[in-house]
Amino acid sequence: GAVVSQHPSRVICKSGTSVKIECRSLDFQATTMFWYRQFPKQSLMLMATSNEGSKATYEQGVEKDKFLINHASLTLSTLTVASAHPEDSSFYICSASRASSYNEQFFGPGTRLTVL
Amino acid sequence: KQEVTQIPAALSVPEGENLVLNCSFTDSAIYNLQWFRQDPGKGLTSLLLIQSSQREQTSGRLNASLDKSSGRSTLYIAASQPGDSATYLCAFFNTNAGKSTFGDGTTLTVKP
Repeated sequence: GAVVSQHPSRVICKSGTSVKIECRSLDFQATTMFWYRQFPKQSLMLMATSNEGSKATYEQGVEKDKFLINHASLTLSTLTVASAHPEDSSFYICSASRASSYNEQFFGPGTRLTVL
Repeated sequence: KQEVTQIPAALSVPEGENLVLNCSFTDSAIYNLQWFRQDPGKGLTSLLLIQSSQREQTSGRLNASLDKSSGRSTLYIAASQPGDSATYLCAFFNTNAGKSTFGDGTTLTVKP
């Protein structure tokens, strides 16, 4: 149990386009979902935390108008990179936690975004 | 602010060797600790979770410990195999605030 999926796994787009990444908890209800970004040879950095039905909480330095997060249900959160630019190219990973598991986080497989 | 350091950054060992990966932290407040492995270009695979009230967890050839007084966690891998080659990350999660801090990882290479 506790499987998290992400779609797509890889996306290549032109500069200026918007890209949507989906994060789904397949076999549990995720009260909280997290979005991380990982640049090459660097560790993960938390971008934002979202609870179902409420606005996401963004970490300092992360533009909320650039990285739009929607946590519409207990099994789905989406990250939309608005008007993507080459510097947004990165590996984006989501995770989900359920209240019953002492906040243990379960991670998705990640999405590789390349902006040309 | 929590700071997490993993030393060494890279480690190469012959197959069959027992090894220890180190993770040090500065804030011992209420945190859960997770050890992950990450294969190149892949997401994270959770290995072990130590809740804030625990000191140790074991799964197969892996054993993780947490010592808040010294600000250290170790991941012990017994009888290493080439398939263990990956980057190992430790991460601390503030269960109250939903915050997390990841180490930079230790890249392990197990040579046949």
